[in-house]
Amino acid sequence: EDQVTQSPEALRLQEGESSSLNCSYTVSGLRGLFWYRQDPGKGPEFLFTLYSAGEEKEKERLKATLTKKESFLHITAPKPEDSATYLCAVQARRNTDKLIFGTGTRLQVFP
Amino acid sequence: EPEVTQTPSHQVTQMGQEVILRCVPISNHLYFYWYRQILGQKVEFLVSFYNNEISEKSEIFDDQFSVERPDGSNFTLKIRSTKLEDSAMYFCASSEVKTDTQYFGPGTRLTVL
Repeated sequence: EDQVTQSPEALRLQEGESSSLNCSYTVSGLRGLFWYRQDPGKGPEFLFTLYSAGEEKEKERLKATLTKKESFLHITAPKPEDSATYLCAVQARRNTDKLIFGTGTRLQVFP
Repeated sequence: EPEVTQTPSHQVTQMGQEVILRCVPISNHLYFYWYRQILGQKVEFLVSFYNNEISEKSEIFDDQFSVERPDGSNFTLKIRSTKLEDSAMYFCASSEVKTDTQYFGPGTRLTVL
């Protein structure tokens, strides 16, 4: 069964304190891995798509990496506005449309 | 920047009533999706829609649910007879092609009393 596990569930950081969020996945052939940011009461906001092991994507203070079993979202020198829940989702290579989401990591960055 | 929009933002209904949730996908996108998120739980896939028909549906998407693209811009989710357990955030998403990134709307919070 395809599944996504994210860790930690929650993370508290001081402003400027870099860290990484983990997304482990099992899927029968990965078509794509997606990172989204979700603010309370809002819809998931797209951050990155990764397609193959070794791929990396960067946007401002965020960098996403992918291996054959997991993905990391690295946050460098975070600011309070980076506080949100970060969701990881996978799409399988077989003929399916759906994204399978993890439960997310709730990040709080304190000034 | 183009975005997915959803109305209403919050819908309160009585158990057994019908509700219709509305979405306007990004204009050049061809694939449309509904997901839901029960409070404190994962985002779950409900259904995908392409070329005016259901492409894939989950086990959650039973006979109480239906989707429609009534015109060239709107995409709707109908729940025929709501249950307490249907209370959740419902997200519409769209993508340009099947394998592309899915962009999500802000959601409709459905509360069933």
